[in-house]
Amino acid sequence: TQLLEQSPQFLSIQEGENLTVYCNSSSVFSSLQWYRQEPGEGPVLLVTVVTGGEVKKLKRLTFQFGDARKDSSLHITAAQPGDTGLYLCAGRPMNSGYSTLTFGKGTMLLVSP
Amino acid sequence: KAGVTQTPRYLIKTRGQQVTLSCSPISGHRSVSWYQQTPGQGLQFLFEYFSETQRNKGNFPGRFSGRQFSNSRSEMNVSTLELGDSALYLCASSPTSGGATYTGELFFGEGSRLTVL
Repeated sequence: TQLLEQSPQFLSIQEGENLTVYCNSSSVFSSLQWYRQEPGEGPVLLVTVVTGGEVKKLKRLTFQFGDARKDSSLHITAAQPGDTGLYLCAGRPMNSGYSTLTFGKGTMLLVSP
Repeated sequence: KAGVTQTPRYLIKTRGQQVTLSCSPISGHRSVSWYQQTPGQGLQFLFEYFSETQRNKGNFPGRFSGRQFSNSRSEMNVSTLELGDSALYLCASSPTSGGATYTGELFFGEGSRLTVL
């Protein structure tokens, strides 16, 4: 069973479109992170959300942490080809001591010109 | 400063062989974590080392092992390779151990892509 479920698994859109990807769990997280991984490279951190209900904006990217701290979303406005990549959410369940950072399987985004 | 360095970047092995992968963390980072990435399972945690001690281990068979040296460099070893071990192996470093309250960033290397024939 995957602790973090991401949807959709794959998304192919045209430049200029908006999109939202989701990260859901039945577990409560102390924080959630979003990473982007480009082909041939390792994941790179985009943002960390810590407070339930928190919204963070990074240029055209908007991240939201659910009130119950069990889910998160990433919204991209006016997508560009440079946004192409694998988007991964990751988190550590609360009250788990030295827990590991658990990743969702990711959403593969392809933005065509 | 230099990022996380993983060697080798690519390697091909046959079933039954063993392989050793190396990771040099960012200077000053004492925690190193290893992940296996496959298309079907995504990133799966292998183990985490902090100050030469294994802090956590994922749900992988004993064929997968690792260690960390006093300079924080880390190696992982996979013995008796199976076809299913073909994957991208990612190493990530952080300045402190990734406890449950740690919200800092993991810095990943580019990975070692292992193909088992």
